[in-house]
Amino acid sequence: DAKTTQPTSMDCAEGRAANLPCNHSTISGNEYVYWYRQIHSQGPQYIIHGLKNNETNEMASLIITEDRKSSTLILPHATLRDTAVYYCIATPTYSGGGADGLTFGKGTHLIIQP
Amino acid sequence: DVKVTQSSRYLVKRTGEKVFLECVQDMDHENMFWYRQDPGLGLRLIYFSYDVKMKEKGDIPEGYSVSREKKERFSLILESASTNQTSMYLCASSPTGGYTFGSGTRLTVV
Repeated sequence: DAKTTQPTSMDCAEGRAANLPCNHSTISGNEYVYWYRQIHSQGPQYIIHGLKNNETNEMASLIITEDRKSSTLILPHATLRDTAVYYCIATPTYSGGGADGLTFGKGTHLIIQP
Repeated sequence: DVKVTQSSRYLVKRTGEKVFLECVQDMDHENMFWYRQDPGLGLRLIYFSYDVKMKEKGDIPEGYSVSREKKERFSLILESASTNQTSMYLCASSPTGGYTFGSGTRLTVV
């Protein structure tokens, strides 16, 4: 898996969009960008993934730069329940670590302020 | 809702005991994984399995073994528990557009 770099922590006001950056400058052409989050004392939860195009689902949007060296996860209307550690992972398998596991870094601790 | 179920949420065991952590998934996934999570160290892969009776070592397999006799069940075994195995243990399965994790088992070895 390519190395990813994320800020250690971020704050965001409730109701505002939370924009979480991730740098993956050494990503290779067959590596997808995956985002997971982990709420305190729970297992990680899959959020979204993408290869080249921007993606959106019911949880979030993923914006990947044209050169694929960085991406941004967007939570459009953050709530207090979005407070969690968010992990950005670059991995070569479509299914997000199909057979050989994912490498989790330290992630970004996102704190939603009331 | 798809599920990965870990048998215990909290567990306390004594040093030297043999410990079994059970994980069951209902998604018919081939791939299953065991991670441990420690403060400051993040998630680290212990073992994984890509098929029944198949297993592969992850990054930190020492002191652990696994068993996968049925597709839906992946067991992590601590042959002789030690205090440095006190940790949060997380099971996961894939694929489905991403991993699905269980809620975790917080194991304390005293």
